[in-house]
Amino acid sequence: GDSVTQMEGPVTLSEEAFLTINCTYTATGYPSLFWYVQYPGEGLQLLLKATKADDKGSNKGFEATYRKETTSFHLEKGSVQVSDSAVYFCALSDAGGYNKLIFGAGTRLAVHP
Amino acid sequence: DTGVSQDPRHKITKRGQNVTFRCDPISEHNRLYWYRQTLGQGPEFLTYFQNEAQLEKSRLLSDRFSAERPKGSFSTLEIQRTEQGDSAMYLCASSLVPGNSPLHFGNGTRLTVT
Repeated sequence: GDSVTQMEGPVTLSEEAFLTINCTYTATGYPSLFWYVQYPGEGLQLLLKATKADDKGSNKGFEATYRKETTSFHLEKGSVQVSDSAVYFCALSDAGGYNKLIFGAGTRLAVHP
Repeated sequence: DTGVSQDPRHKITKRGQNVTFRCDPISEHNRLYWYRQTLGQGPEFLTYFQNEAQLEKSRLLSDRFSAERPKGSFSTLEIQRTEQGDSAMYLCASSLVPGNSPLHFGNGTRLTVT
């Protein structure tokens, strides 16, 4: 079945460092891909999405590019802030856009001043 | 937009007891999803509704679990004869279809079975 694999955390960075969180997927067909973020004490929030190959999703300085050839959707940010500390989840949905989501295990990011 | 509301936030129960959780989706959303999240894992899909119709159930949803959405608005998730393995965060999400609406999640109900 479809699945998502994320790099294990925690990821610990200093403020202004470059961030990469790896995500690869296995899916039949052409899924849509998502990054969700969960800040402490809050619900999951959509961070960005991409619905077809080579699409780049971006939001709040975060970016991820849908790479069909490597089945990847890595999350990047050029300069992290303490306020980016959270758990990040990569997810896919089956063809057709927003439907049942399949999530990775999540990667905890801790950013220190 | 008041967001997706879940009640209660926390529930502690003894093994063998029944529990019921409630989810109030965003008012105009016609799809409602239930997920379960255990510590250190991502959310796992349990079931979803479109309006009042339950369209899909995961194999994770054993016979002890039942979900309803009687009038296509709020939903309840009941777990009968709870087991320690049921301890988890239960998440509700809603969306609007057709359209390009992402899933909006509630803050979840944390269940602890002792």
